[in-house]
Amino acid sequence: AQSVTQPDARVTVSEGASLQLRCKYSYSATPYLFWYVQYPRQGLQLLLKYYSGDPVVQGVNSFEAEFSKSNSSFHLQKASVHWSDSAVYFCALSMGTGGYKVVFGSGTRLLVSP
Amino acid sequence: EAAVTQSPRNKVTVTGGNVTLSCRQTNSHNYMYWYRQDTGHGLRLIHYSYGAGNLQIGDVPDGYKATRTTQEDFFLLLELASPSQTSLYFCASSDSVSGNTLYFGEGSRLIVV
Repeated sequence: AQSVTQPDARVTVSEGASLQLRCKYSYSATPYLFWYVQYPRQGLQLLLKYYSGDPVVQGVNSFEAEFSKSNSSFHLQKASVHWSDSAVYFCALSMGTGGYKVVFGSGTRLLVSP
Repeated sequence: EAAVTQSPRNKVTVTGGNVTLSCRQTNSHNYMYWYRQDTGHGLRLIHYSYGAGNLQIGDVPDGYKATRTTQEDFFLLLELASPSQTSLYFCASSDSVSGNTLYFGEGSRLIVV
């Protein structure tokens, strides 16, 4: 069965510093991968997604992620964080685009300190 | 703009009570999902649906029923609520055109006392 692991429950970085949030997946074929963000008292919103092609995908608000099949990873990165990036970030996996179920990791809470 | 609306936003019920959580999407999406969110577990899939009258079992279905009455409406039913079902519930919709991107509602917080 497919699964997603986010090993860091909490990450704290200083404003202006770079960021990497880790995501490892388990799936025998090439998955469809997503990063979502959840701001306080809101639902989740899509940051970016990967299906195929260039392993580095760009998303909203200058986030990007890199897919690595050899490492079964899909890490989220940002060059310079802002205090408004403080939120919970979820990595997710789907086996396809035709209504396949989407499996989520446990999330990483990001705190950006001034 | 995609829209998924959940109701009620907050609900308190007693153990053994009946609860219905409602979800309506105006995205014309075929697929709809119910997740629960708990600290340390992320989002876990309860039930999902491919269209009106269809129901698929998710990863944590015990204690939950669901029904998809129309393309727009998906209901989650707790017929004998238990304290372990205290959680934040999210509904989402998607379709193949959006590449299975999920569009979420704002959540329904349920407390079972």
